[in-house]
Amino acid sequence: DGGITQSPKYLFRKEGQNVTLSCEQNLNHDAMYWYRQDPGQGLRLIYYSQIVNDFQKGDIAEGYSVSREKKESFPLTVTSAQKNPTAFYLCASSIDSTGSSYEQYFGPGTRLTVT
Amino acid sequence: DAKTTQPNSMESNEEEPVHLPCNHSTISGTDYIHWYRQLPSQGPEYVIHGLTSNVNNRMASLAIAEDRKSSTLILHRATLRDAAVYYCILRAFTSGTYKYIFGTGTRLKVLA
Repeated sequence: DGGITQSPKYLFRKEGQNVTLSCEQNLNHDAMYWYRQDPGQGLRLIYYSQIVNDFQKGDIAEGYSVSREKKESFPLTVTSAQKNPTAFYLCASSIDSTGSSYEQYFGPGTRLTVT
Repeated sequence: DAKTTQPNSMESNEEEPVHLPCNHSTISGTDYIHWYRQLPSQGPEYVIHGLTSNVNNRMASLAIAEDRKSSTLILHRATLRDAAVYYCILRAFTSGTYKYIFGTGTRLKVLA
């Protein structure tokens, strides 16, 4: 089955530690995205990548970093510089990011708790 | 930036139609209107999208006002599985790419 996988589903870390969230897709999509969701809120864009070896900051990139070395993978690192890292993190992909109507496919999410 | 406004919550009886409204009074001419829904602790799922004309698919219908400042998602017969948070999203073209602008969504409760 084609889709997006995120692992792990739940992640716990101590304050001050960096943590990397995994996102893999086998849809052959060029574009990938990372969003953050806080309780009762909509999604906010952290980073996006339109093509391999290229990525751009979204609306709330501070304290996060990404890489896009392979088309299938777009890992997100939550660094110790992120002031409020506890949240639900969602990865998505789309055929490309310049098509006028292409939808985004979302993974199941990773719930990160930092104490 | 354009934004969307939706009621926080709505209720519907099972097997009755549901109309979920969305206001987007600052929408620009090139912004697409997308609807997604999200079940608890899951990623959002695409429902439907449109630009100017009304749209139908197997999940729902989308009615877009003539001035495009509002739209309505129509679920023709609500089932218990339709209980979710529904997001009305503008797909805006900025900085050479399309981005989603999420609102806070409408939590739909379906009563048996």
